[in-house]
Amino acid sequence: DAKTTQPNSMESNEEEPVHLPCNHSTISGTDYIHWYRQLPSQGPEYVIHGLTSNVNNRMASLAIAEDRKSSTLILHRATLRDAAVYYCILRDDLSGTYKYIFGTGTRLKVLA
Amino acid sequence: DAEITQSPRHKITETGRQVTLACHQTWNHNNMFWYRQDLGHGLRLIHYSYGVQDTNKGEVSDGYSVSRSNTEDLPLTLESAASSQTSVYFCASSAGTGPGGTGELFFGEGSRLTVL
Repeated sequence: DAKTTQPNSMESNEEEPVHLPCNHSTISGTDYIHWYRQLPSQGPEYVIHGLTSNVNNRMASLAIAEDRKSSTLILHRATLRDAAVYYCILRDDLSGTYKYIFGTGTRLKVLA
Repeated sequence: DAEITQSPRHKITETGRQVTLACHQTWNHNNMFWYRQDLGHGLRLIHYSYGVQDTNKGEVSDGYSVSRSNTEDLPLTLESAASSQTSVYFCASSAGTGPGGTGELFFGEGSRLTVL
C-alpha cells in the first residue's frame, strides 16, 4: 500500500482559506486520492476524492499535481466547525480491494 | 434512515477475558471494516470483510477475530483481552462501487474499550 505524508498540525484563521498538503511520491497509476476528516469524538467522514483532475464539491476542493506525487485539500473559508484531523489516503481501486489505510493525518486548528 | 451502530459504546474489562464488540449496518453494504485508534497512531485496520463468509486480516490483527455470517453484522472478538488493546474501536462499511466510485466509508460512533 502506497504511503502518504502529511504535516502533523496546521493552524488557520476563521473565514480564511486553508491548504492542507499531502505527499504521495510512490503513488501508482491506479491509486485514487481520498480525503477524510475526523471531528472530535466522532468517526471519520468522507470529504472528497480524485484521480488526476482537480475536483470540487460542496465541502472542499482537491488540487492534484500534474505528476500526481502530491495533492492539496482546499477549504475555501475555514469555520470553527472545520477543526478536525484530516486524512489523505490512497486507494488502489483496480486491485478489487476497497480497504483504506489511514495515516496519522493533519490536525487543523481554526482560530476565531 | 440507514445507519451503522456499534455496541457497547463503553466497556471496561479485565485482562484475559473474552470481549465482543458488535457492529450492525442497515445499508446492505458488502464491505465492512474494523479499525482501532490510539494517540499517535491514527486509525489502524484490524480486520475487514468483502461479503458473507469472507474475512481478511488488516495491519494489526493479532489477538482479534471477526466472523461474517450475514451482510449486516461484523462482530469483533478479543479472545483474551490485553492492556495493549485498550483503545477506541471504529467499525465502518462501504458499498464498494467499483473503480473510481466513491466507495465512501461510513463510520460508527466508536466503542471505547478499557482493559485493566
